[in-house]
Amino acid sequence: KNEVEQSPQNLTAQEGEFITINCSYSVGISALHWLQQHPGGGIVSLFMLSSGKKKHGRLIATINIQEKHSSLHITASHPRDSAVYICASLNDMRFGAGTRLTVKP
Amino acid sequence: NAGVTQTPKFQVLKTGQSMTLQCAQDMNHNSMYWYRQDPGMGLRLIYYSASEGTTDKGEVPNGYNVSRLNKREFSLRLESAAPSQTSVYFCASSSSTEETQYFGPGTRLLVL
Repeated sequence: KNEVEQSPQNLTAQEGEFITINCSYSVGISALHWLQQHPGGGIVSLFMLSSGKKKHGRLIATINIQEKHSSLHITASHPRDSAVYICASLNDMRFGAGTRLTVKP
Repeated sequence: NAGVTQTPKFQVLKTGQSMTLQCAQDMNHNSMYWYRQDPGMGLRLIYYSASEGTTDKGEVPNGYNVSRLNKREFSLRLESAAPSQTSVYFCASSSSTEETQYFGPGTRLLVL
């Protein structure tokens, strides 16, 4: 059974800070999904990656398949980045419990 | 394109009542999913349909049934609701089980 774990559970940052959210999983996978859940509840896909790094605006996701670890970075954080960030293994559709990020102005 | 739509948005049931949650997608996706989300637990897969005509159990299928009515629609049925089924239910779809999933807005269900 694949265990997907995220850290930290909660994260508070000041506007402009560099944010890192970590995700680790216990069983080898071929791809990892990063999702964002808005305060209103809606869930949107941020990245799907199977190797290396992907960048979209101020968001960067990296994955190390051998080490079973992925990170999501947010540069120059902004209050509108406040949300729950979720990583998921698509192979077996297992999700981390999420990291609640609050960015204060 | 509406993407993934779910009805109803909110429902209150009494223990033992039945209901069906509806989900439809207009992206011509092959795969569809039902998840529940509980505080501190993350999203958990209830059932999925890899393609039209197939359905498979996920992590927490007990107490639920599903129907892949056609390529667009995937419904979730609670035959006899229990308080433990109080949750937020999300439907999602993807072109295949290894592609990006697109989520509906969710249905908030309260079972008294």
